[in-house]
Amino acid sequence: NAGVTQTPKFRVLKTGQSMTLLCAQDMNHEYMYWYRQDPGMGLRLIHYSVGEGTTAKGEVPDGYNVSRLKKQNFLLGLESAAPSQTSVYFCASRDWETQYFGPGTRLLVL
Amino acid sequence: QQQVKQSPQSLIVQKGGISIINCAYENTAFDYFPWYQQFPGKGPALLIAIRPDVSEKKEGRFTISFNKSAKQFSLHIMDSQPGDSATYFCAAVTTSGTYKYIFGTGTRLKVLA
Repeated sequence: NAGVTQTPKFRVLKTGQSMTLLCAQDMNHEYMYWYRQDPGMGLRLIHYSVGEGTTAKGEVPDGYNVSRLKKQNFLLGLESAAPSQTSVYFCASRDWETQYFGPGTRLLVL
Repeated sequence: QQQVKQSPQSLIVQKGGISIINCAYENTAFDYFPWYQQFPGKGPALLIAIRPDVSEKKEGRFTISFNKSAKQFSLHIMDSQPGDSATYFCAAVTTSGTYKYIFGTGTRLKVLA
């Protein structure tokens, strides 16, 4: 049981480049979330999904897109990366009241 | 109204001491209050949680105190150990609807040996 996994672990992008972050969970959870973590700002919700084929905007969705084509996977896309998107990105899935977080992806946009 | 205010931002405690982290919220629709612990380079993990129908919950050395009228809750770590050094996040959740979590800004705890 791997729980929640994220790929890649670390990535450096140039401004304007695009990339996709992959989150996978093997716990059969319906709900999945993408957060960004910045110093002094805690965890802020980017997008979330309440089930396969559904997505919804969170607190800070601008500049990001998501897809949930399969129940176990939740993809976060950056269409045109900006330095303001330098952050640590966490994916989570939820079972009842508990969110289970992945190990994070550290993204640096130059 | 959706904010959760957490303090202090950082905390240094001697081994064996008590660590106290506080959170306050405004939205009375919140009905579930978890605390997450995060070690460097790792994702947050659930530590302990409380619902507003009780004023205190204890699990080992960790206790949540909840004051519904003041809309405040706090985490107490008794007999703090160097292994407790981590960042702690409080959160407030509305468990109806989409279960969105509102996290505090985090407290970096360092326990000195």
